Amino acid sequence: EMQLVESGGGLVQPGGSLRLSCAASGFTLDDFAMHWVRQAPGKGLEWVSGISWNSANKIYADSVKGRFTISRDNAKNSVFLQMSSLSAEDTALYYCSKDIYVSPGRGMDVWGRGTTVTVSS
Amino acid sequence: QAVVTQEPSLTVSPGGTVTLTCASSAGAVTSGHYPNWFQQKPGQAPRALIYTTSNKHSWTPARFSGSLLGGKAALTLSGVLPEDEAEYYCMLFSGGVQVFGGGTKLTVL
Repeated sequence: EMQLVESGGGLVQPGGSLRLSCAASGFTLDDFAMHWVRQAPGKGLEWVSGISWNSANKIYADSVKGRFTISRDNAKNSVFLQMSSLSAEDTALYYCSKDIYVSPGRGMDVWGRGTTVTVSS
Repeated sequence: QAVVTQEPSLTVSPGGTVTLTCASSAGAVTSGHYPNWFQQKPGQAPRALIYTTSNKHSWTPARFSGSLLGGKAALTLSGVLPEDEAEYYCMLFSGGVQVFGGGTKLTVL
């Protein structure tokens, strides 16, 4: 069974940093692109970032460009999201999702349950 | 980045048919936008339904279908069941990034 498990969320002060992790199992991670998607409380889905199978292509939403960095370690079956200069607007449930292709763009199929990030003083 | 627009809410009777649409501020939606559709129920993670316009995942019920309709992506539910009540999100690949629509709250009444 394909599975994604996010971790690393928590409470962080404005201006702070946090690193999210996504552990993949049940499939070969380096066959697929991966994404991070977030959902603020009571709001809709917002795509955050995507990374190709070999890390050659990384894409970001305008709202996080320059502050967030996506990365992956295929040998450890993991994907990461390094977040910095956090503000209250970044408060959300962060989902990890698997693309159906080697490069971002064609869509996602498998989703994790998410990890919660709260930015507050 | 383009803005993707969906109907905020729709209501359908059990057994009925309903079509949800997904429009882009950048122009007509085409297969090159790789339209995807997701279902989300309260307290749950999104579940993928349709990818690249009209392709179903192995778990997608047959009553769900995707298409392009009048310059928009469309999700049609035929023979709606009470369990189909949920929020539905479309997603497009536009300008080199993924963009979600605001979601359609589907009520089965």
